[in-house]
Amino acid sequence: KQEVTQIPAALSVPEGENLVLNCSFTDSAIYNLQWFRQDPGKGLTSLLLIQSSQREQTSGRLNASLDKSSGRSTLYIAASQPGDSATYLCAVRRPSTGFQKLVFGTGTRLLVSP
Amino acid sequence: DVKVTQSSRYLVKRTGEKVFLECVQDMDHENMFWYRQDPGLGLRLIYFSYDVKMKEKGDIPEGYSVSREKKERFSLILESASTNQTSMYLCASRSEGQPQHFGDGTRLSIL
Repeated sequence: KQEVTQIPAALSVPEGENLVLNCSFTDSAIYNLQWFRQDPGKGLTSLLLIQSSQREQTSGRLNASLDKSSGRSTLYIAASQPGDSATYLCAVRRPSTGFQKLVFGTGTRLLVSP
Repeated sequence: DVKVTQSSRYLVKRTGEKVFLECVQDMDHENMFWYRQDPGLGLRLIYFSYDVKMKEKGDIPEGYSVSREKKERFSLILESASTNQTSMYLCASRSEGQPQHFGDGTRLSIL
């Protein structure tokens, strides 16, 4: 059974710092991995999608990497801003002969203070 | 731009009522999903659909049913609402191999 872990559960940093969020998964046979952000009381916003054949994806100040063999992904946020404060979730899509479902981590709550 | 719309942001219902949560997507996605999100338990998949009139049980389908009569619309039905179904409900959609997109969520309270 695929399990997804995100450590730390919460992180507080001053504005301007570069930071790394971690995501670990137990089964390296994944189809792809997706990072989301969730603001309080809102739905999830898709940030980046990494296919299993890719090593990383970039969007603006965000860079996500994938190391399937070690079962790890990181989300790098450069020059953090107070607007980056949110909960960040990773989710892996497990391959199967049938439908592919997402397995979510429990998230890292990020607070960026001015 | 991708748009998944849930009909209500907040909803308050009484125990025993039949409750309908509606979700519409405008991206012509084949796949649609209903999740609930609870503190400490994360997101859990209730039901999903990979085509019109097709539905599959997720991890926690008990007490729920779904309807997908048109490709763009996926409805979640609580047949007889109970207090343990108080939660945040999230709808999502995607095409195969593409990112999954979520609506803003419906916070449902059952009194």
